[in-house]
Formats: sequence, C-alpha cells, structure tokens
Amino acid sequence: DVKVTQSSRYLVKRTGEKVFLECVQDMDHENMFWYRQDPGLGLRLIYFSYDVKMKEKGDIPEGYSVSREKKERFSLILESASTNQTSMYLCASSLAGGRETQYFGPGTRLLVL
Amino acid sequence: GESVGLHLPTLSVQEGDNSIINCAYSNSASDYFIWYKQESGKGPQFIIDIRSNMDKRQGQRVTVLLNKTVKHLSLQIAATQPGDSAVYFCAENTSGGSNYKLTFGKGTLLTVNP
Repeated sequence: DVKVTQSSRYLVKRTGEKVFLECVQDMDHENMFWYRQDPGLGLRLIYFSYDVKMKEKGDIPEGYSVSREKKERFSLILESASTNQTSMYLCASSLAGGRETQYFGPGTRLLVL
Repeated sequence: GESVGLHLPTLSVQEGDNSIINCAYSNSASDYFIWYKQESGKGPQFIIDIRSNMDKRQGQRVTVLLNKTVKHLSLQIAATQPGDSAVYFCAENTSGGSNYKLTFGKGTLLTVNP
C-alpha cells in the first residue's frame, strides 16, 4: 500500500510566522505535489517536484516555497504566514511520468490567526 | 456534475441502490482520468482510473464510463453503502505540456441514507 504521511493534522500559527509542512512517502515515488483545498475552489496545485532538488511552480505558488532534499520528503514552506493561507494542505506522490495516479496524504488543516 | 460557487452538487441515495456520479471535463486532449473519494477530514483516496483508449473499466463495486464524444465521465457505485458517503471528484491529465499536472473537478457530495 502507498503511504503518504504529513507531519501535522492540525496547525495553528500567527500572521508573520514561518511555517513548515512536511510530507513523506514510502513508495519510492519520483513525483511529489503540494495542493491546497478550499471550499468552492477544489484542489489547486501550489508546487510539484519530479526529482530530488527539482521543483516547478504550480498554479498558485505565491507566498510559498518548497524543498526536496531527499526523494521521500517534500516540504512546503510559508515564509511569512498570512490569514489568506488558512486552508487544508494536501501532499501527494506518484511514479515518474505524467499519466500516473497521485496518492494523497491525510492533509494538514492550517489556521493562521 | 461540477460545482458552481461554494455549494457542491449533491446526490442522496438509499442504502442498497446504485449511484451514478457525473463529471464533465473540458479538454478534449485529456487522455487519463481518475476518480477520487474524499471522506470528511481525510485526504482524497484513489478509487479507479481509466485511459482514453477505453470507454469502460470495472473495479470492485465501481464502474467508470468514459464518453469522449461529449467529454463526459461517470462513476457508478453498485449497492451503495453508508460507508460510501463522501465527496467524489474526477481528475484529468492532458498529454503534452506539463505531464505531471492533474486538473481536478470540484466534486459531488454523495449521501447514503440507511
């Protein structure tokens, strides 16, 4: 079974704080993704990575950065959290190539006060 | 179908009935499709996928139908159970460009009444 884990299920931070969200997958997948999910807007891609140290911007990268130092781990960084970044954050991974199923973690619900 | 605004389309069925959830996709070049199930407070869970060279694929209690002519995808759930209550959404991948990206629909809320 594919296992994608995220470091926190719930997180409360203050405006201006630096926030780290961690994601780990145990299936040796090449691709990893960060999404945010908001009511009425569905899943929106923030960043993705197709290899260690490689990253590409998704549809809404502003205010976020990512790090992929090891194949199994993909981190999402909010440099200075703002209230409009309150959301559900979902990590996913997939095998190399485009037409592969993405497997999701349980999500991190972030509240920025 | 797809959602508009903040409210998801909803489908309410009786336990034991068959459910059909629909998805309209926009890109005629899309060639790979996935259905996901998302229970409250959890991440999306893979259900079934289909490639564009097929028009039907069956899994355990689920069937996906693909009609490329009208760009329509449907998920059929047989003998729906209370545990099937969740949001279901489709995703499409388009060949060419960034092959890594999936475009997700906004989902349909399925409620199963006991």
